[in-house]
Amino acid sequence: DAGVIQSPRHEVTEMGQEVTLRCKPISGHNSLFWYRQTMMRGLELLIYFNNNVPIDDSGMPEDRFSAKMPNASFSTLKIQPSEPRDSAVYFCASSHPGTGTYEQYFGPGTRLTVT
Amino acid sequence: SQELEQSPQSLIVQEGKNLTINCTSSKTLYGLYWYKQKYGEGLIFLMMLQKGGEEKSHEKITAKLDEKKQQSSLHITASQPSHAGIYLCGAVLGFKTIFGAGTRLFVKA
Repeated sequence: DAGVIQSPRHEVTEMGQEVTLRCKPISGHNSLFWYRQTMMRGLELLIYFNNNVPIDDSGMPEDRFSAKMPNASFSTLKIQPSEPRDSAVYFCASSHPGTGTYEQYFGPGTRLTVT
Repeated sequence: SQELEQSPQSLIVQEGKNLTINCTSSKTLYGLYWYKQKYGEGLIFLMMLQKGGEEKSHEKITAKLDEKKQQSSLHITASQPSHAGIYLCGAVLGFKTIFGAGTRLFVKA
């Protein structure tokens, strides 16, 4: 299994531009999570999906952030317009609650820099 | 997360020494995870504890959840440079997991 796949691995963009981060969860996992990690705030849950449905988006910072999961094998996190304070590492993780452990498998992350 | 306090924030140990990292919650924990993150990479699952008093080991890493299920400790025996990284504890809240701020471990060869 290839694990959770995220793209791009690095993104540098100018303030005001639209940024789209992509995630492919592990096949068979029905929960997907988007996290943001910064030095100041640590690892924060932004949103999570269960069976492609957004369950809790209370961690999404503001309306500039949106996430979609059109099918079980793909999710996007979009920031429009981007701001320098959005610079962070964004992680996608997936899990299969059916295993009883809720272990989350993390992707390698996308390092976003907004200048 | 302020709901999970990790200590210490960072730790420098000499190779071969033992060390302990703590994770404390103000609420009862119904599931406690330990993850390791290598610098610049994603998180790797180490182990999960669910029952008060439960103790699990993985190679030279042992974690325990206290009887009251409000604190967990992670102990590394005979540390090696490969143990260096950020250790995060996470608590289960329904489908969500909240994470502590992490403990940065540096191992001097």
